[in-house]
Amino acid sequence: SQQGEEDPQALSIQEGENATMNCSYKTSINNLQWYRQNSGRGLVHLILIRSNEREKHSGRLRVTLDTSKKSSSLLITASRAADTASYFCATDFPGAGSYQLTFGKGTKLSVIP
Amino acid sequence: GAVVSQHPSRVICKSGTSVKIECRSLDFQATTMFWYRQFPKKSLMLMATSNEGSKATYEQGVEKDKFLINHASLTLSTLTVTSAHPEDSSFYICSARDIGALSYEQYFGPGTRLTVT
Repeated sequence: SQQGEEDPQALSIQEGENATMNCSYKTSINNLQWYRQNSGRGLVHLILIRSNEREKHSGRLRVTLDTSKKSSSLLITASRAADTASYFCATDFPGAGSYQLTFGKGTKLSVIP
Repeated sequence: GAVVSQHPSRVICKSGTSVKIECRSLDFQATTMFWYRQFPKKSLMLMATSNEGSKATYEQGVEKDKFLINHASLTLSTLTVTSAHPEDSSFYICSARDIGALSYEQYFGPGTRLTVT
């Protein structure tokens, strides 16, 4: 199965700055999603972008998808200390059964007040 | 919004015993639930796909006799770690997909921290 790869693995920024995380994958996909995980907790869905979309916004989040490069980026603008968490991309691809998702390794974001 | 609960949130057990973890969708029905395992500072690894009323589909390398999955209703799936060993210590997370959803979004439980001594 394919696996998304996020970079950077860890990112530390000051409150108010923007945070950009990238995700790459290896095979064709149907959709790409971004999830957030606070330490020791479950995942929270942030945003889904379909393979025929190039950009999507949700509040302070902006996601882009470049299927030719098999990559996506997640931008968090005007970051807050509460944004500190790990962020994962997840992909589903044609042929995957039962809507299975494959998760990347994640980017750990630290926002310093 | 869609809520998924897991119980227990933490469990410590002795080597050789079995542990059951419950995953419930609280305000929606889920024909499909997923069980993941997450090692410290690592990504989620899909263990199995649980389908209501049928046998679970296990990922390669996951022992189905060790990790028993039962999905008896549209709102409940259970994972039983049988004859647990210290190497089974991990964070187990379930997720569920809304039966009526057209998207691939999954709703995740808060996770269960299993420690085998």
